[in-house]
Amino acid sequence: GESVGLHLPTLSVQEGDNSIINCAYSNSASDYFIWYKQESGKGPQFIIDIRSNMDKRQGQRVTVLLNKTVKHLSLQIAATQPGDSAVYFCAENINSGGGADGLTFGKGTHLIIQP
Amino acid sequence: GAGVSQTPSNKVTEKGKYVELRCDPISGHTALYWYRQSLGQGPEFLIYFQGTGAADDSGLPNDRFFAVRPEGSVSTLKIQRTERGDSAVYLCASSPPSSSRNQPQHFGDGTRLSIL
Repeated sequence: GESVGLHLPTLSVQEGDNSIINCAYSNSASDYFIWYKQESGKGPQFIIDIRSNMDKRQGQRVTVLLNKTVKHLSLQIAATQPGDSAVYFCAENINSGGGADGLTFGKGTHLIIQP
Repeated sequence: GAGVSQTPSNKVTEKGKYVELRCDPISGHTALYWYRQSLGQGPEFLIYFQGTGAADDSGLPNDRFFAVRPEGSVSTLKIQRTERGDSAVYLCASSPPSSSRNQPQHFGDGTRLSIL
């Protein structure tokens, strides 16, 4: 169906290593993508976004890559820290032409940082 | 500055009761969204307001759910005749006015609703 999904439910990395979280989407009409971080008991926290006219965007310690050919999105976190432990969601905004701006979220990847 | 504020943070009620959940968006944000998040899942879109009007309510599951935003700021999500399946975390988000339709949505910490 038209949904955003993630390849792995859990990702475990060593502190200091780089993390890569992947996301596949199925709707070619999607034109805006966001990565969110959610800690237990908290709401999703905005990390970085990218529009469909771009293929890469960098923030502080994070990079988002968009491959529209294979409908794939990834979040790279450099030098992972204990505070990066959380569930990460990718979300898409489908350009239906009707002005609807509700995001479609995937199920999330739980990032675990090993000391 | 202050983020999105949701009250109450927790609500426990009995099946069949009526509940109201409140959202105070970030000051100046014209767009407001409600989502529902079940355990282990991503948030699911419910309804979107642009100003006072509901621009898209296609995510509301049935007519027991209703939301208002009478003055274009605070919004209330109302659920009638609650059912156990309504138990979830209800999240509110807001985004600033922009000529671009794509702006990051900023979330509150949600209201955890438990229907006994």
